[in-house]
Amino acid sequence: NAGVMQNPRHLVRRRGQEARLRCSPMKGHSHVYWYRQLPEEGLKFMVYLQKENIIDESGMPKERFSAEFPKEGPSILRIQQVVRGDSAAYFCASSPARYTDTQYFGPGTRLTVL
Amino acid sequence: QQQVKQSPQSLIVQKGGIPIINCAYENTAFDYFPWYQQFPGKGPALLIAIRPDVSEKKEGRFTISFNKSAKQFSLHIMDSQPGDSATYFCAASKSGSARQLTFGSGTQLTVLP
Repeated sequence: NAGVMQNPRHLVRRRGQEARLRCSPMKGHSHVYWYRQLPEEGLKFMVYLQKENIIDESGMPKERFSAEFPKEGPSILRIQQVVRGDSAAYFCASSPARYTDTQYFGPGTRLTVL
Repeated sequence: QQQVKQSPQSLIVQKGGIPIINCAYENTAFDYFPWYQQFPGKGPALLIAIRPDVSEKKEGRFTISFNKSAKQFSLHIMDSQPGDSATYFCAASKSGSARQLTFGSGTQLTVLP
């Protein structure tokens, strides 16, 4: 009964590089949320995706950030040309269907930008 | 309008005590209020959740009290244990096509043995 899986768990990038974070939802779940947690802060919503469809990206920065959830494979959060301010923990959560309240979180990816 | 304000920022209690964490919200469209527990280096884990049609919900040692008119809700942990030491987040979401959670800023709870 695997839960939400995220990899890598830790990622170090230098300024200007690209970061790719992957999320595999729980079995049977087709909806994925991405959240960002800055040090000593709560989680902030970034984007909500269904398979092959972005439903809500109102929390995504307008530049350098993108997300996808292809028909096959994990959801990917991509950060291009990373800056030090991107250093944070990025969490993925999944739910079984649209309009479902409960979200199950993965262990997160800790991104450090040098 | 979208904020959820959480207090206190940190809390220390003795084993067996009853820590209480409070949250307040502004957006009356919120209709789902979960609490999450997070240990260092881990993802948030759902503890308990409530909807506005009830004033209290209890699951094991965890109780949510909800005051709709005051737009406040709180988490009580009965007979707290050192293993409950963690960061607790309240959150809220509203009906609609996307049910993203709006989180409070977190409360770091320490339960002393």
